[in-house]
Amino acid sequence: AQSVAQPEDQVNVAEGNPLTVKCTYSVSGNPYLFWYVQYPNRGLQFLLKYITGDNLVKGSYGFEAEFNKSQTSFHLKKPSALVSDSALYFCAVRGSTLGRLYFGRGTQLTVWP
Amino acid sequence: EAEVAQSPRYKITEKSQAVAFWCDPISGHATLYWYRQILGQGPELLVQFQDESVVDDSQLPKDRFSAERLKGVDSTLKIQPAELGDSAMYLCASSGGHSNTEAFFGQGTRLTVV
Repeated sequence: AQSVAQPEDQVNVAEGNPLTVKCTYSVSGNPYLFWYVQYPNRGLQFLLKYITGDNLVKGSYGFEAEFNKSQTSFHLKKPSALVSDSALYFCAVRGSTLGRLYFGRGTQLTVWP
Repeated sequence: EAEVAQSPRYKITEKSQAVAFWCDPISGHATLYWYRQILGQGPELLVQFQDESVVDDSQLPKDRFSAERLKGVDSTLKIQPAELGDSAMYLCASSGGHSNTEAFFGQGTRLTVV
């Protein structure tokens, strides 16, 4: 069975500080991993993905994520948080060629000025 | 930039009534998904199409929900009859159809059943 866990419901950071949003996954076979962001009453926006290759992937708005196969993790990071980064973040995994995406419960990120 | 179009954005309906949502995926995307997102939770797949064929509807409550994608382009999701517990955001997404490409989401339809 495939699943995604986001262990923190909320992450609070001060503007200018680095941020990390955690994600662990369980999948049979090679994982395809994604991060999405959602603003209130909106759909999900794609941030970045890991398919293969370099374990550190860079995405939109200065976000990056590190794939760690031994820890089955794919944590989202940003060196310097902005107030405008405040939103709901979802990690997702796809493990089969059929392409079904499994989402975590989401982590609410709040960046205060 | 190409987008996934959904309508309506908001829908209020009485329980036991029928309701329908429409989705137009990004042109050329063979795979189309309908997800349901309950407040405070992550999206859960209801149905996945590859062209006009259903490839996964294991989580679709088939006694009241139906979905179609007749010509392999746009899609309709229907609920009949609606129940109070159906209140949620219904999200449509599309992708190029290969396992490693990201899905692009529409703005969603916020359904409230009263």
